[in-house]
Amino acid sequence: EAGVTQFPSHSVIEKGQTVTLRCDPISGHDNLYWYRRVMGKEIKFLLHFVKESKQDESGMPNNRFLAERTGGTYSTLKVQPAELEDSGVYFCASSQLTTDTQYFGPGTRLTVL
Amino acid sequence: AQSVSQHNHHVILSEAASLELGCNYSYGGTVNLFWYVQYPGQHLQLLLKYFSGDPLVKGIKGFEAEFIKSKFSFNLRKPSVQWSDTAEYFCAVIGGYQKVTFGTGTKLQVIP
Repeated sequence: EAGVTQFPSHSVIEKGQTVTLRCDPISGHDNLYWYRRVMGKEIKFLLHFVKESKQDESGMPNNRFLAERTGGTYSTLKVQPAELEDSGVYFCASSQLTTDTQYFGPGTRLTVL
Repeated sequence: AQSVSQHNHHVILSEAASLELGCNYSYGGTVNLFWYVQYPGQHLQLLLKYFSGDPLVKGIKGFEAEFIKSKFSFNLRKPSVQWSDTAEYFCAVIGGYQKVTFGTGTKLQVIP
């Protein structure tokens, strides 16, 4: 069974540019989560999809961040325009509806210069 | 709001030493508890979890954790560490709404 995949693995952009991160969950997992870890800090929740619907987006930092999950399969997280403080590792995780156990992807390391 | 506190940020041990990593959480209701591990260059993996039942749970690679409800703790233990256990360990809790709250992580370095 394929795990959670994320693309790209690394992204280096300049302040003001736009970046789109992609997450492909494990097939059949209706729950999809985005998390972020800023250097040296804890991993923080950003938002949670159930299928294509946003269940909880309380962790989204501001309106420069837009997450979508059209069709309830893969998800994208767009940052526009990127700021220096957006640098960090963005993790995606997925789980089945009936369990709390989340499986994580390898993360995307975003560097904003 | 739920929170997780990991007491040790960086632990250095020699091979065969015993390991205990502390984790305390704050949440007023029922929780599910996890330990995740991230080996160098790899993604987060589930080490073990506690949902209910026996408070002593065993995970992969000889790790175990004990849930002590009265102390709001879920400490991770291993009797004898190996060099391959070098990694970063994260305690995590799910209280309401399936949102995982992580601790800040503990970097474990095992010296051969």
